[in-house]
Amino acid sequence: GAVVSQHPSWVICKSGTSVKIECRSLDFQATTMFWYRQFPKQSLMLMATSNEGSKATYEQGVEKDKFLINHASLTLSTLTVTSAHPEDSSFYICSAWARLAGGIGGDEQFFGPGTRLTVL
Amino acid sequence: LAKTTQPISMDSYEGQEVNITCSHNNIATNDYITWYQQFPSQGPRFIIQGYKTKVTNEVASLFIPADRKSSTLSLPRVSLSDTAVYYCLHSQAGTALIFGKGTTLSVSS
Repeated sequence: GAVVSQHPSWVICKSGTSVKIECRSLDFQATTMFWYRQFPKQSLMLMATSNEGSKATYEQGVEKDKFLINHASLTLSTLTVTSAHPEDSSFYICSAWARLAGGIGGDEQFFGPGTRLTVL
Repeated sequence: LAKTTQPISMDSYEGQEVNITCSHNNIATNDYITWYQQFPSQGPRFIIQGYKTKVTNEVASLFIPADRKSSTLSLPRVSLSDTAVYYCLHSQAGTALIFGKGTTLSVSS
């Protein structure tokens, strides 16, 4: 199957600093990627849709100036958490759609392994 | 808002068959039904996908009635390693997935 990677897998930073998280599609091209956030014992919450070559689309309540998304190529999307604060500590997950050869017709969305962000 | 409803939790023992039912009353004609599994501190992992009737793969079966307003994920002979959160979703290719609360399955020995 298709593989989505994230880097770093975990990061600890001081309050007020910025952190960049990379999401890569390793063996396929992704014109659209998605970013999710997951707090402990909660479900995944969609933050934004990342579109290659254009601006990201943010979900209601997600600050676009705080969570900067750049999708500069068909295999890389980055999420930068600017001026991070402890309440931004969470598990950030990206995903992308890919069609597998021989699939039943419905494409599959592949998820990255996630990035654990801890803001002190 | 999540578009699906599933039990919050289920308990089972090793070797038993587990069936998790999901309601999706507002499923669109072009939507596929997909189930994901998630372990703590990992991204969701695809289990199975279907459009109607029954689909079976090496790990699970998916039963979808004719009206497609619900679906049932069947896990045969679960083991301790099947303890995870299971999410039911329906969507069209290329669109964002909206996750509900999922079902936390606990398998005991």
